[in-house]
This record gives sequence, C-alpha cells and structure tokens, in this order.
Amino acid sequence: GENVEQHPSTLSVQEGDSAVIKCTYSDSASNYFPWYKQELGKRPQLIIDIRSNVGEKKDQRIAVTLNKTAKHFSLHITETQPEDSAVYFCAARIGGSNYKLTFGKGTLLTVNP
Amino acid sequence: SAVISQKPSRDICQRGTSLTIQCQVDSQVTMMFWYRQQPGQSLTLIATANQGSEATYESGFVIDKFPISRPNLTFSTLTVSNMSPEDSSIYLCSVSGLAGGDEQYFGPGTRLTVT
Repeated sequence: GENVEQHPSTLSVQEGDSAVIKCTYSDSASNYFPWYKQELGKRPQLIIDIRSNVGEKKDQRIAVTLNKTAKHFSLHITETQPEDSAVYFCAARIGGSNYKLTFGKGTLLTVNP
Repeated sequence: SAVISQKPSRDICQRGTSLTIQCQVDSQVTMMFWYRQQPGQSLTLIATANQGSEATYESGFVIDKFPISRPNLTFSTLTVSNMSPEDSSIYLCSVSGLAGGDEQYFGPGTRLTVT
C-alpha cells in the first residue's frame, strides 16, 4: 500500500520567516495530495491540496508544489505568523473520493514572535 | 464545506463497557471514515463506513471491537466495545464526496478516556 514520509517532525521559525515541510510518497499511482492543519484540541482542517496534473498551487501565504518524478510534494508558508503554529499533516490518495487517504506523521510548526 | 457533528464530544468510561459515537453531516456525502488519533500522533484509519453494506476495516482493526453502522448518506456510528485503557484516544469521523467534490473533511472528534 501507499506510504507517506514527512519531514521534519518539528520546525521552529521566527515570525516573518518562511517554513517548508516536505513529504514523499511511495505509490506512483497517487493523484491527490492534501495538507491539513491541526491546532491543539481542534479537528484537522484542510488548508490546501494539489492534484497530479498540477505542479504548483498557491493560496495567499501558502503554496504546495508537486514533483511526480521524484514522488515528493511540499508545503510552503511565507511570512509566517504566530497563528500558523500548529501540527501540519500531508496525505496522499490513489483515486477519487471513494478511496482512503494515507497520512504522514505530522510536523509541529512553532512560529516564535 | 458541510457541517459535521459528533456526539458525544468527550466521555469517561469504565473498562469493559462500550461506547457508541455518532457522526452526523448536514449534507449527503459519498464516503464516511473513522479515524483514531492518539495524543501527539498522526491519524490512523480504523475503517471506511459503507452505506448499506458492511464497513471495510484496516489491518489491526476488527468488526467485533469496532462495529460500525451507516444507515444512510448523512449518518454513521462507531462503537468501541469492551473498552480497555488502551482505547483511550480521540476518535474522528471524516467525510468525502460532498457536493460532487472529493475533498475530505473531519468532524470535531470524540475524546474518550477509559479508566
């Protein structure tokens, strides 16, 4: 089955700096790659996703890039703010909504004011 | 996105008892999933709740321990049976196939403590 590796497990940055979280996946058939943000005590929240026919997607301060050849995808957060502090999970899926997501182990991002 | 609710939001239960967690969505969805999340850990899929048929369980999870129902396109239940302290965790339902899309959204979770 699919396996997703996520790095780093923890990341600490100064407010205003950029943060990058990287994930690799094992199954070349994966075609959907969402990112979730989970604040302490809250549910995972979908913040951005990318599909295999796209190389990059941006939404304000966050962007995701996908390299299908290398089977890795990354989350980029620019101009970080303290409210970006959370655990971020990447995931990968083969197929459409009927199929399950495989999650990475998560990255604890701390943005220091 | 849809409104996903879970009941109860938290509970403290004695070992050997069972607890049923409900997940309700305000719109019809294609798929409903049940996850477990231990403190500081990632999301572990327990099973996929199939409407009108038996759930599909992941390796390490069995129907006798985690029976699941999905009577319609907006509701599902997960029962944690014969609980032990190792079952203490957060249980989350998740849905996909909302309004023809394939994004997956999570409910607020149920925090279960077994004493």
